[in-house]
Amino acid sequence: AQTVTQSQPEMSVQEAETVTLSCTYDTSESDYYLFWYKQPPSRQMILVIRQEAYKQQNATENRFSVNFQKAAKSFSLKISDSQLGDAAMYFCAYRSGEDSNYQLIWGAGTKLIIKP
Amino acid sequence: KAGVTQTPRYLIKTRGQQVTLSCSPISGHRSVSWYQQTPGQGLQFLFEYFSETQRNKGNFPGRFSGRQFSNSRSEMNVSTLELGDSALYLCASSLGHLRNTEAFFGQGTRLTVV
Repeated sequence: AQTVTQSQPEMSVQEAETVTLSCTYDTSESDYYLFWYKQPPSRQMILVIRQEAYKQQNATENRFSVNFQKAAKSFSLKISDSQLGDAAMYFCAYRSGEDSNYQLIWGAGTKLIIKP
Repeated sequence: KAGVTQTPRYLIKTRGQQVTLSCSPISGHRSVSWYQQTPGQGLQFLFEYFSETQRNKGNFPGRFSGRQFSNSRSEMNVSTLELGDSALYLCASSLGHLRNTEAFFGQGTRLTVV
């Protein structure tokens, strides 16, 4: 069975600084997807960034980028130029690449605090 | 276009009662997944429906059930409620038939069992 581990329950960063959130996962599959979701106090899950396992290039979305290390099964999220609106819970999630399997397996989450 | 709509947003029920939660996916999306979120267990997958058929199921007791209608709207039902069923229930919709497809989430239904 696949598992996702986020070892940082809480992280804090000064506004405009850079922060990295860690995520490791365990799987025997070679084809899969990895995601970072943000959950603000409104509770709605918002996709931040995703990575396809077969792509070696790290995904980037504006101030958000990932460091995907497939051999090490590591998938960290880097937030550059942190803004107050980035404060939220961040969840790392795994999805199998198997057809018809849309189940997301989640990490425990990291609470990100932005200090003004 | 309209996002994923979950109703109701908040619900208080008594132990032993049953409850039905509703999820209307984004227009054109045929897959609806349900997740339970609690402080103790985190986010756990309940089940996924695609074109009115349950395609995947998580490890929850039979008291948790769901269905999907021809318009892709989905309902989940919890019977004989227990205090431990208190949680945020999240619904996600996606196209469901493409490999690289994103899941869009609703704002959830907060269920409190007293």
